[in-house]
Amino acid sequence: AQTVTQSQPEMSVQEAETVTLSCTYDTSESDYYLFWYKQPPSRQMILVIRQEAYKQQNATENRFSVNFQKAAKSFSLKISDSQLGDAAMYFCAYRSGGSNYKLTFGKGTLLTVNP
Amino acid sequence: DTEVTQTPKHLVMGMTNKKSLKCEQHMGHRAMYWYKQKAKKPPELMFVYSYEKLSINESVPSRFSPECPNSSLLNLHLHALQPEDSALYLCASSQSSGVLYNEQFFGPGTRLTVL
Repeated sequence: AQTVTQSQPEMSVQEAETVTLSCTYDTSESDYYLFWYKQPPSRQMILVIRQEAYKQQNATENRFSVNFQKAAKSFSLKISDSQLGDAAMYFCAYRSGGSNYKLTFGKGTLLTVNP
Repeated sequence: DTEVTQTPKHLVMGMTNKKSLKCEQHMGHRAMYWYKQKAKKPPELMFVYSYEKLSINESVPSRFSPECPNSSLLNLHLHALQPEDSALYLCASSQSSGVLYNEQFFGPGTRLTVL
């Protein structure tokens, strides 16, 4: 079974600075997808960024980017120019390729942004 | 419309009550999900419906009964719940299996308290 590990239960960053959240996963599959979800205090889970295992290029969405290291099974999220609205729980998630619905979530990292 | 809606936002019920949670999406998605989330934990998958048929049941107790009346609606019927069932119940939807990424879009959740 696949596992997803987020080794940082909590992180903090100063407003306007950069922070990196770590995520590692364990799988023997070659076809899979990785996601970062954000869950602010309002509780709605929002998709931040996604990555396909076959794509070598790291995904980027505005201030959010990933460092996808397939051989190391690492999928870290970098948030640049942090804003107060970035404060949230961040979950890393894995989904097997093909006709598979299940997401395997990490335990989450609670990010605090200090003004 | 890229939204998943859930009603009610909050629900308090006794252990002998029967209640239902409702989820709706108008994105044309053919897969819908129920998750249970405890505080500061990742969501736990309960059920998946694919093309209005139950595809996955993660060994959920029978006091939780899902229903998918049509491709846009998903209900979760609750009966004889226990206090430990108190949690945030999240609904999600996605296009369908076999689609690239097939990322899940989450609703805001129903906060359930069982007395």
